[in-house]
Amino acid sequence: GPKVLQIPSHQIIDMGQMVTLNCDPVSNHLYFYWYKQILGQQMEFLVNFYNGKVMEKSKLFKDQFSVERPDGSYFTLKIQPTALEDSAVYFCASSRLGARSSAETLYFGSGTRLTVL
Amino acid sequence: GDSVTQTEGQVALSEEDFLTIHCNYSASGYPALFWYVQYPGEGPQFLFRASRDKEKGSSRGFEATYDKGTTSFHLRKASVQESDSAVYYCALGYGSSGNKLIFGIGTLLSVKP
Repeated sequence: GPKVLQIPSHQIIDMGQMVTLNCDPVSNHLYFYWYKQILGQQMEFLVNFYNGKVMEKSKLFKDQFSVERPDGSYFTLKIQPTALEDSAVYFCASSRLGARSSAETLYFGSGTRLTVL
Repeated sequence: GDSVTQTEGQVALSEEDFLTIHCNYSASGYPALFWYVQYPGEGPQFLFRASRDKEKGSSRGFEATYDKGTTSFHLRKASVQESDSAVYYCALGYGSSGNKLIFGIGTLLSVKP
């Protein structure tokens, strides 16, 4: 099936540093997403992004978080500065433009495990 | 707000056993319902979906029927294999909000040979 690539697979940084997580979505997809999963807990929606803009974000998407996709390159999640509670696996996903009447299928990458020390 | 409840946190079966994982949802509108499967070290993979009442989704021997009356979308498989061992997530989504998916907590299925 369609593949979403995430780089890197693991990232270890010190608290207070900046980190950028990279996602290469499926080539003809137009909607992009980030989800956060703390070990042993459920996947939680952070943000979705379309046509250069954030469409919706959750309470977990703190002011220290930002997303962008400059010129069709990687879709990125930047955290600046990082905090201990940001340690989690971050999953990127993408989907085609959805119809009004039903939700499109999301395709996920393998995740980036972020450890903040 | 909208939510998905999976009652089984873990299910342990032997090969050829029958599988049921219960999924109930609470939603203000008419969402599409999904099952995703996640293998260790990977992201969730789409298994199948259903978009309207009484519609059955299926894939790889797994199936579930959208039941608006009982607000359920239970996952079933007649005969599980060891290779089915994974975490299974039920999810709901709306097209009008940019296709955001809301996931249940997941059910870890372990199948012994």
